[in-house]
Amino acid sequence: KAGVTQTPRYLIKTRGQQVTLSCSPISGHRSVSWYQQTPGQGLQFLFEYFSETQRNKGNFPGRFSGRQFSNSRSEMNVSTLELGDSALYLCASSILFGTLNEQFFGPGTRLTVL
Amino acid sequence: GENVEQHPSTLSVQEGDSAVIKCTYSDSASNYFPWYKQELGKRPQLIIDIRSNVGEKKDQRIAVTLNKTAKHFSLHITETQPEDSAVYFCAASIPGGGADGLTFGKGTHLIIQP
Repeated sequence: KAGVTQTPRYLIKTRGQQVTLSCSPISGHRSVSWYQQTPGQGLQFLFEYFSETQRNKGNFPGRFSGRQFSNSRSEMNVSTLELGDSALYLCASSILFGTLNEQFFGPGTRLTVL
Repeated sequence: GENVEQHPSTLSVQEGDSAVIKCTYSDSASNYFPWYKQELGKRPQLIIDIRSNVGEKKDQRIAVTLNKTAKHFSLHITETQPEDSAVYFCAASIPGGGADGLTFGKGTHLIIQP
């Protein structure tokens, strides 16, 4: 079974731009969660989608948004990029809703904001 | 929201010795505690998890203990090997995921000295 995939793997943007990241979960997994990983803050939860609905949201500004499609693929969007948004963005999929189930992480998208 | 503290931030042990990483959590409603291993440049991978109705769980050289009263849980690695070198993250989750999703500790960089 193919693992979680994320595209693109690397992105370089400038301040003020917007960016869209994509995540394809493991086949059969209906839940997708997004995390931001930085050296200073570690892994921080952004949001979780299940059955095309956002179920949980972390403490991030409204510039961070996402959506999930009927095939469970998910996208994350960051608008008006700031230097502090530079990070590794990881998505994770699980079979069921809620983070009580094992989450399988993708390889991440490394975003650099200049 | 949930807060997870992880110690130490760096741990260096001789090959063959044991390593112990400790985490505390703040929300007594948390009942799922996974541990992830992240090798340099790779995605986090689940190595073991424990649920609040279990006090200890073991998988070969890895064990996790949970003390719900004290709200802390620990990872024990015995007979450490060079391939155990990585960053280890603990996490906590409340039923239904909650607004915090999976809350991670800041990570422990485990170094196995030959």
